[in-house]
Amino acid sequence: EDQVTQSPEALRLQEGESSSLNCSYTVSGLRGLFWYRQDPGKGPEFLFTLYSAGEEKEKERLKATLTKKESFLHITAPKPEDSATYLCAVQGLGGYNKLIFGAGTRLAVHP
Amino acid sequence: DGGITQSPKYLFRKEGQNVTLSCEQNLNHDAMYWYRQDPGQGLRLIYYSQIVNDFQKGDIAEGYSVSREKKESFPLTVTSAQKNPTAFYLCASCPDRDENEQFFGPGTRLTVL
Repeated sequence: EDQVTQSPEALRLQEGESSSLNCSYTVSGLRGLFWYRQDPGKGPEFLFTLYSAGEEKEKERLKATLTKKESFLHITAPKPEDSATYLCAVQGLGGYNKLIFGAGTRLAVHP
Repeated sequence: DGGITQSPKYLFRKEGQNVTLSCEQNLNHDAMYWYRQDPGQGLRLIYYSQIVNDFQKGDIAEGYSVSREKKESFPLTVTSAQKNPTAFYLCASCPDRDENEQFFGPGTRLTVL
């Protein structure tokens, strides 16, 4: 069964303190792995798609990496405005465009 | 401005009532989706539609119904048969079935009184 596990559930950082969020997955053939940012009471905002092991993508202070079993979202020198829940999702090769989501990591960055 | 709109933002329902949540997109996307989000859980797929006049059940379709009469619209009805309907409902769309990225609307929070 396809599954996504995100850790930690919650993370508190001081402004400027770099860290990483983890997304471990099991899927019958990976078609894509997705990272989203979600602010409270709002819909998820698309950040990155990764397709194959070794791939990396960057956007401002965020960098996403992918291995055969997990993905990391690295946050470099975070600012308070980076506070949000970060969601990871995977899409397998079989069937329709179905995304399997993890429960997310709640990130709080304090000044 | 292209995007996905959902209405209402907040919805209150009495037990035993059916309610319909609206989802409209002007992105010319073929595929549309409905998800449910509960605290501490990942998004779960309710229904999806890859083309007009066609839709399929997702993982948790019981107690819900949809229609796809127009490309830009994919309304979700939460029926009285849904035993625990209080949740945050999210609509998403994707250019076509072969594209990967799904783009989400702002969500509707449904509360059953």
